[in-house]
Amino acid sequence: GDSVTQMEGPVTLSEEAFLTINCTYTATGYPSLFWYVQYPGEGLQLLLKATKADDKGSNKGFEATYRKETTSFHLEKGSVQVSDSAVYFCALSAGNQFYFGTGTSLTVIP
Amino acid sequence: DAGVTQSPTHLIKTRGQQVTLRCSPKSGHDTVSWYQQALGQGPQFIFQYYEEEERQRGNFPDRFSGHQFPNYSSELNVNALLLGDSALYLCASRLWGATYEQYFGPGTRLTVT
Repeated sequence: GDSVTQMEGPVTLSEEAFLTINCTYTATGYPSLFWYVQYPGEGLQLLLKATKADDKGSNKGFEATYRKETTSFHLEKGSVQVSDSAVYFCALSAGNQFYFGTGTSLTVIP
Repeated sequence: DAGVTQSPTHLIKTRGQQVTLRCSPKSGHDTVSWYQQALGQGPQFIFQYYEEEERQRGNFPDRFSGHQFPNYSSELNVNALLLGDSALYLCASRLWGATYEQYFGPGTRLTVT
């Protein structure tokens, strides 16, 4: 069935470091791919999305490219800030259903 | 414009009891999905409602049931609570067909003792 596998955390980085969180997926057909972010005590917020192969989603300095050949959608940011500390979820949408990864906790220290 | 709202924020129940959680979708949205997020895990899809009918269901037992009202708000009911039902329950809303634009509420934290 459809599923998402993402890099396990927790990840701790210093401010201004480069961030990569790996995400790979398994799906029949052509899913849409998403990154969601969850701040402590809050629900999930859509960070970025890509709806077809080679699309690049971007928002707030974060980027991810939909790679069909490697079934991946890795999240990157060139320079993280303390305010980026949160849990990040990779997800795919197949039809009307969403499948989420287990989440990667990111802590950015000053 | 209010986003997705859920009530209550927190809830403590005893094994065997029943619970009802509520969700009001974002204005203009007609489709509501419910997710269970266990501690340290990603959200797991429970079911989805559109036009007051359950349209799709994840791998959850019949103890989990729901309802959607004419104003698009929704309820999640869980019967015969188990300790393993302790989790954050998230509601998400969107327009039917607009798969990409799903908005989540803050969730209801259910603790079963």
